[in-house]
Amino acid sequence: EVQVLESGGGLVQPGNSLKLSCATSGFTFSTAWMYWYRQFPEKRLEWVARIKAKSNNYATDYTESVKGRFTISRDDSKSSIYLQMNNLKEEDTAIYYCAWVGAWGQGASVTVSS
Amino acid sequence: DIVLTQSPATLSVTPGESVSLSCRASQGISTSIHWYQQKSNESPRLLIKYASQSISGIPSRFSGSGSGTDFTLSINRVESEDFSVYYCQQSYSLPLTFGSGTKLEIK
Repeated sequence: EVQVLESGGGLVQPGNSLKLSCATSGFTFSTAWMYWYRQFPEKRLEWVARIKAKSNNYATDYTESVKGRFTISRDDSKSSIYLQMNNLKEEDTAIYYCAWVGAWGQGASVTVSS
Repeated sequence: DIVLTQSPATLSVTPGESVSLSCRASQGISTSIHWYQQKSNESPRLLIKYASQSISGIPSRFSGSGSGTDFTLSINRVESEDFSVYYCQQSYSLPLTFGSGTKLEIK
């Protein structure tokens, strides 16, 4: 059974940083392309970042609004991915989901507020 | 960016009715469209991939069709557990984008 579990969410002040983690099991992680998505309070869904597999040189892509602030990474030995979020803004407030193909985790809530 | 327009925004139906939800892309995307269901306080669940491909564990009453710019998610004989929000997503090009959703509610 595929399992995806996010952690690391919380309340942070604007300008601060937060790192989300995503632990997975039940599939061949080393060859998987992994994704972060987010869902804003008004329920709009947005793709955040993608990281490809080692065979694709771990190439990464980001949505425009997070380029230069967010970094996606992975540790194949732990079947995990991460999202380092720096210089957070109030508009980054959302539930962040980790996903492999169509399997999404339960989400991690991130609130950016002073 | 590819814009996905879902219609209607809300669909009110009686259990047992069959329904069709629409997703229109701002440019041709072949069959690179996927459909998700999201119930309250849950994460999205993949229902259909690549326009019409079924997903293991998803009831057969859910089906998808379309190519190019116009796509449809059909639910044959809606059941009570189907009342939720449905989103389409394109994977044709970056950035990946979602539609704004169709809420299926009980009439």
